[in-house]
Amino acid sequence: QVQLVESGGGVVQPGTSLRLSCAVSGSTFSSHDMLWVRQAPGRGLEWVAVIAYEESHNYYSDSVKGRFTISRDNSRNTLYLQMNSLRTEDTAVYYCARGAIDGNYLYFWGQGTLVTVSP
Amino acid sequence: EVVMTQSPATLSVSPGERATLSCRASQSVSSKLAWYQQKPGQAPRLLIYGVSTRATGIPARFSGSGSGTEFTLTISSLQSEDFAVYYCQQYSNWYTFGRGTKLEIK
Repeated sequence: QVQLVESGGGVVQPGTSLRLSCAVSGSTFSSHDMLWVRQAPGRGLEWVAVIAYEESHNYYSDSVKGRFTISRDNSRNTLYLQMNSLRTEDTAVYYCARGAIDGNYLYFWGQGTLVTVSP
Repeated sequence: EVVMTQSPATLSVSPGERATLSCRASQSVSSKLAWYQQKPGQAPRLLIYGVSTRATGIPARFSGSGSGTEFTLTISSLQSEDFAVYYCQQYSNWYTFGRGTKLEIK
């Protein structure tokens, strides 16, 4: 049974930082690309960042490029998202999700962690 | 960026009837198209990938079709648990989602 559990969300002020974690169990973590996807209140899904299974490549959506950093620790089966210079528009539920071997459709998702950026 | 456009935004259908949801890509995404279902307060759930392959445990009443830029999700006979929001996602050129179709009870 694959499980993804996010943590680290909370209420922060604009301009500050937060780090999210996603612990993965029941899966060969190091064999899969991992993604962060977010959902602002009442809105749709937005891809935020992806990291390759071997940690060598990571990519970001334009909305977070230069502010967010995705990383992973394959020895700890954990995915991270370091979020700097947070803005009110970053307020969302952040999901981690596991990519598939044959393409990054998202078979497994965490339950999400809420990040609220408010003055 | 590949823009995914879903229609309609809201679809009202009676239980037992067929629902047809559409998704259009701004450029070809080949067969790299997935569908997800999301219920309030829950994470999205993968229904379909590769245009037409059902994920494990997804009932046969869900089917996907299309190619290139035009795709369809069909739910053949709606059950009460199917009323939710549905998203398409392309994974050909990075990852983008449509804005969703809310399937509501008529």
